[in-house]
Amino acid sequence: GAVVSQHPSRVICKSGTSVKIECRSLDFQATTMFWYRQFPKQSLMLMATSNEGSKATYEQGVEKDKFLINHASLTLSTLTVTSAHPEDSSFYICSARRRDRVGGYEKLFFGSGTQLSVL
Amino acid sequence: AQSVTQLDSQVPVFEEAPVELRCNYSSSVSVYLFWYVQYPNQGLQLLLKYLSGSTLVKGINGFEAEFNKSQTSFHLRKPSVHISDTAEYFCAVSVAYKYIFGTGTRLKVLA
Repeated sequence: GAVVSQHPSRVICKSGTSVKIECRSLDFQATTMFWYRQFPKQSLMLMATSNEGSKATYEQGVEKDKFLINHASLTLSTLTVTSAHPEDSSFYICSARRRDRVGGYEKLFFGSGTQLSVL
Repeated sequence: AQSVTQLDSQVPVFEEAPVELRCNYSSSVSVYLFWYVQYPNQGLQLLLKYLSGSTLVKGINGFEAEFNKSQTSFHLRKPSVHISDTAEYFCAVSVAYKYIFGTGTRLKVLA
């Protein structure tokens, strides 16, 4: 089945540094990739949607300059948390949309998430 | 390693009929279990979760799910569906810092 690899699974960094999270679709081309954030005991919140070769679309309230998304190819999207602060500590999940062969609709596959802790 | 299986990729059902969306998981350790819903052009929304305690969990929009440890299942049910329930439903397990999602079930409610 389709696999989305997200790396790293856990990262601890110092305040002020930048952290890059990678999301790869291993065996399919992703028409669209999504980035979610989850606060403790809350649901996943969509941060942004990215299409290969174009700028990401950010949800209201998400800082574009803070969370840089690069969708360099049909199999790779990266989220960079710039100048990270403790309030950026959270769980981040990516997902990739694949055009399904049967039925014509697009299925969504998820990475396993990245726990970011900023000290 | 953990895994989640949603055997039904699509489930058509008539309005006001009951529905069950199946989810089975495998894990050698205790997990938390979730059902998420995604409406068209929106992000995921948490329907319900099982962390511990009562095996019957009630969620939003009239959905409920039952955790069955012996069958390693966490099926989602609703006694009477509405057109507005048409969406993609994802089952997920969480262990430590990782989430594993099922491949989703597209519920299509027919008038």
